[in-house]
Amino acid sequence: EAQVTQNPRYLITVTGKKLTVTCSQNMNHEYMSWYRQDPGLGLRQIYYSMNVEVTDKGDVPEGYKVSRKEKRNFPLILESPSPNQTSLYFCASSLSTLGQGWREKLFFGSGTQLSVL
Amino acid sequence: QKEVEQNSGPLSVPEGAIASLNCTYSDRGSQSFFWYRQYSGKSPELIMFIYSNGDKEDGRFTAQLNKASQYVSLLIRDSQPSDSATYLCAVRVPSGGYNKLIFGAGTRLAVHP
Repeated sequence: EAQVTQNPRYLITVTGKKLTVTCSQNMNHEYMSWYRQDPGLGLRQIYYSMNVEVTDKGDVPEGYKVSRKEKRNFPLILESPSPNQTSLYFCASSLSTLGQGWREKLFFGSGTQLSVL
Repeated sequence: QKEVEQNSGPLSVPEGAIASLNCTYSDRGSQSFFWYRQYSGKSPELIMFIYSNGDKEDGRFTAQLNKASQYVSLLIRDSQPSDSATYLCAVRVPSGGYNKLIFGAGTRLAVHP
């Protein structure tokens, strides 16, 4: 089954304790991205990756790191989480970002609800 | 001004009615336009995309684009309770060699029997 697998689903942690949210896709997608979703603010892009070893900042990258060592995996790393990073996080992937209809469709993971105390 | 704006709702419509969801965007260079549906507690899923001015129909859904007025809308005919969800408008804009996708905050639709 074509999917984006994101783990964990729920995570409660304390300020300053490093954590990693994993994301893996099995569709051979070049493009992957991380979003956070907050009430009233919608989905905001944290980081994206056009292909292996190529990543770039989105709109809200502060406090986050990513890596893309393999095509299928795109982990999100919070080196020193703070309470303002409490949010719902989504990983997503797509075949294309070039105006090609359904090839632009973003496939989303199930989401990670993170609480930083 | 937000780059992609939607009324947060809730938009409440009776079953069988037409639901009309609207979205405005600020970048005139915007190239492609998407509607994602997100059920409560779930991840977004793509339901429609449109690139050219005019209407695009797919089943009970019609996307409408007016680039001159910088708005895109989604009509849902014969609304069903199962259509109750948050609808996210997303707009792709060129941004330094990368076609950035910007989401609106979403409109919550409630279809009541």
